[in-house]
Amino acid sequence: DAGVIQSPRHEVTEMGQEVTLRCKPISGHNSLFWYRQTMMRGLELLIYFNNNVPIDDSGMPEDRFSAKMPNASFSTLKIQPSEPRDSAVYFCASSLVTGTYGYTFGSGTRLTVV
Amino acid sequence: DAKTTQPPSMDCAEGRAANLPCNHSTISGNEYVYWYRQIHSQGPQYIIHGLKNNETNEMASLIITEDRKSSTLILPHATLRDTAVYYCIVRVADDMRFGAGTRLTVKP
Repeated sequence: DAGVIQSPRHEVTEMGQEVTLRCKPISGHNSLFWYRQTMMRGLELLIYFNNNVPIDDSGMPEDRFSAKMPNASFSTLKIQPSEPRDSAVYFCASSLVTGTYGYTFGSGTRLTVV
Repeated sequence: DAKTTQPPSMDCAEGRAANLPCNHSTISGNEYVYWYRQIHSQGPQYIIHGLKNNETNEMASLIITEDRKSSTLILPHATLRDTAVYYCIVRVADDMRFGAGTRLTVKP
């Protein structure tokens, strides 16, 4: 089991550019979560999907952020246009079923917007 | 809306038990208590969860008080690799929301 796979591990981009973060959940998991972590705000839940359907996107900070899950094995988080305040570590997590199971997190993508 | 209260930091001697407390006085009857930890720059790692009974696995033990208003995570023999931020979370729904956690430092 390769775990939750995120790419890229590091991303440096210029302000105004589009950024796409990718996540492959664990096979068979049907819930997927995107988090953002900064020193100031800690770990924030941005959005989560159940069976590829977005359930709660209330944590998405602005319209510049969008997330998709076209199939059970792939999700993207897109920022367009990116701003320096978007610099953070973005984590993806998946779980087997909703309810009482724990989440498995990926290693994260460290985004730096200059 | 923080549902849990944890001390910001704790120290523990290597080889001794680490007891991390968590208060969740407003927990409802169907909410579970979860513990995760995050070692520097890595993604959070699931440790254990419970509803009302004490739980134990290969990583830790979880002790929940009878009134369920507080719990304690126990690492029986802490090692230097257990230095991390430990998060206590209560949830019933799908979303797991993290607070500030407790920064545990295991010292030689």
